[in-house]
Amino acid sequence: DTAVSQTPKYLVTQMGNDKSIKCEQNLGHDTMYWYKQDSKKFLKIMFSYNNKELIINETVPNRFSPKSPDKAHLNLHINSLELGDSAVYFCASSQGGLAGGYYEQYFGPGTRLTVT
Amino acid sequence: AQSVAQPEDQVNVAEGNPLTVKCTYSVSGNPYLFWYVQYPNRGLQFLLKYITGDNLVKGSYGFEAEFNKSQTSFHLKKPSALVSDSALYFCAVRDDSGAGSYQLTFGKGTKLSVIP
Repeated sequence: DTAVSQTPKYLVTQMGNDKSIKCEQNLGHDTMYWYKQDSKKFLKIMFSYNNKELIINETVPNRFSPKSPDKAHLNLHINSLELGDSAVYFCASSQGGLAGGYYEQYFGPGTRLTVT
Repeated sequence: AQSVAQPEDQVNVAEGNPLTVKCTYSVSGNPYLFWYVQYPNRGLQFLLKYITGDNLVKGSYGFEAEFNKSQTSFHLKKPSALVSDSALYFCAVRDDSGAGSYQLTFGKGTKLSVIP
């Protein structure tokens, strides 16, 4: 059973397009995250949702919009894609929200986004 | 602000030898410390964590880490390296005081190569 799944695994698109990445977790966790991993493998938090509410929103262009329809899903929509958006995007989940900082996070397999 | 440093971009070790991957951290309060491993084209996998208590933490695949508060370090260790341990290792920290906005901050990663 896949704990944290993402679709699609690969996404190739042209500049200016709009795309979405979907994430689902079946672990029963109440907190979900989006991370961006750049070409140098540096990993940076983008967003965090706890019980469908946004709790972390790092300095990310407003072209990126997360949406959590329920606790098990956190999707990422990107408008007007730019070359610099090319990266691997990871979804993750954990227990605990703000008070549960000691819980480990479980990561999805990643979505490799290439903008041409 | 919270931060974590992994001073080595790459560590090479012969199979069967002990390995150490270094990590130091900086937080305002007390740290929650984590190690994750990333295999090529995969998501991050949780290895172990330090929350409180015993300074020596044991985790998955025979890995362990030692928390040293005076040196603000959390080095990852394994007594006998396997070729299959070759991967990218990330140290991460979260400040229990909330000074880091409750987010998990990752180091830049250390590539471990175990030579047969």
